Amino acid sequence: GAVVSQHPSWVICKSGTSVKIECRSLDFQATTMFWYRQFPKQSLMLMATSNEGSKATYEQGVEKDKFLINHASLTLSTLTVTSAHPEDSSFYICSASLETQYFGPGTRLLVL
Amino acid sequence: GDSVTQMEGPVTLSEEAFLTINCTYTATGYPSLFWYVQYPGEGLQLLLKATKADDKGSNKGFEATYRKETTSFHLEKGSVQVSDSAVYFCALSSGTSYGKLTFGQGTILTVHP
Repeated sequence: GAVVSQHPSWVICKSGTSVKIECRSLDFQATTMFWYRQFPKQSLMLMATSNEGSKATYEQGVEKDKFLINHASLTLSTLTVTSAHPEDSSFYICSASLETQYFGPGTRLLVL
Repeated sequence: GDSVTQMEGPVTLSEEAFLTINCTYTATGYPSLFWYVQYPGEGLQLLLKATKADDKGSNKGFEATYRKETTSFHLEKGSVQVSDSAVYFCALSSGTSYGKLTFGQGTILTVHP
């Protein structure tokens, strides 16, 4: 139980385009989801906390207009990287809370 | 602010060797402490946790004890297996386990037959 999926698992896009990443809790409802970013050989950095039906809370230094987060239902949160640039290339991981955090497998984004 | 420091890897061991991965933390108040494991191609999974001082978390032969006096939560296993090869992350949460997590940098473990 407690499975979290992400889609897509990897994506390549051109600079200036927008990319949407979906995070779904498959067998439970999650009021709170989290979005992390992981650079190669580095730790996970929390980007934002997503609460169903309300605005996301962004960590210091994360541009909320660049990383749009929507949590429209108890099983789905989306992260949209707007006007992506090469420096946005990274591994994005979501988690959903049900007493503890359950993590998705991650989405690798490459911006050319 | 909160922070977690793990021993740098990678760590390479032979099967049945003893494993220790050090983890120390800095936090205000009384955080909960966690070890997560990430197997190749998979998402992070909770390995074990401890919510108060002197608690010992254990799972799959792994153990870690919450040491408030040394602000540490070292991960140990008496006899590792090839299947334990993965990346291990120490983490803390200043609130409940579904609160925000602060991660260490991760330690890559490779176990050879």
